[in-house]
Amino acid sequence: QLHLQESGPGLVKPSETLSLTCSVSGASIRRGSYFWGWIRQPPGKGLEWIGIISYTGITYYSPSLKSRLTISVDTSDIQFSLNLRSVTAADTAVYYCARQVAPRNAFDIWGEGTMVTVSS
Amino acid sequence: QSVLTQPPSASGTPGQRVTISCSGSTSNIESNYVYWYQHLPGTAPKLLISRTNQRPSGVPDRFSGSKSGSSASLAISGLRSEDEADYYCASWDDSLNGLYVFGTGTKVTVL
Repeated sequence: QLHLQESGPGLVKPSETLSLTCSVSGASIRRGSYFWGWIRQPPGKGLEWIGIISYTGITYYSPSLKSRLTISVDTSDIQFSLNLRSVTAADTAVYYCARQVAPRNAFDIWGEGTMVTVSS
Repeated sequence: QSVLTQPPSASGTPGQRVTISCSGSTSNIESNYVYWYQHLPGTAPKLLISRTNQRPSGVPDRFSGSKSGSSASLAISGLRSEDEADYYCASWDDSLNGLYVFGTGTKVTVL
């Protein structure tokens, strides 16, 4: 049974970098042709797609975040990460990691989410 | 700002049928599959409808999806109290270099 779990600091200062990790258990990131992605939900708002990455390093990023965003796959094959630079209060949100069957397809497995607050 | 527009709320009594609309454009819904997710507060979103009208294993047949042109719909028949949740449509958008877009979300209330 595939399981995803987000981890990282719950509080980040403005202008700093938000770094989160998604740990994958029950399967290897390397297996299959899946993509691995991040989605967030600001308080009181809807879901927002952040970006996705394949095991081979193919990435698709949200145009609105692209200049500040890096998504990477760990060489351990059991983790992938999100780095969002120069954060502001607008980046405060619950961040979810998820598996996507293919870029144009569904996110079929989700983590439980982790709350990140940007504040001094 | 989402490019897929949904009504902010919908409601019904137990047993009723509720329909949620999702309005997009030629670059997303009209050209690609539509997906629907159910989201209960404090939990992980759940894939409800895949590839416009397919139910993943375990999803009750009370839930159904459809599409016409650049609009899509989710129907919930035989509404139950446990269906009270937020529902999001989603699709791939072919504009720019490609991106995944979620709808604005609809809160379904069971009266």
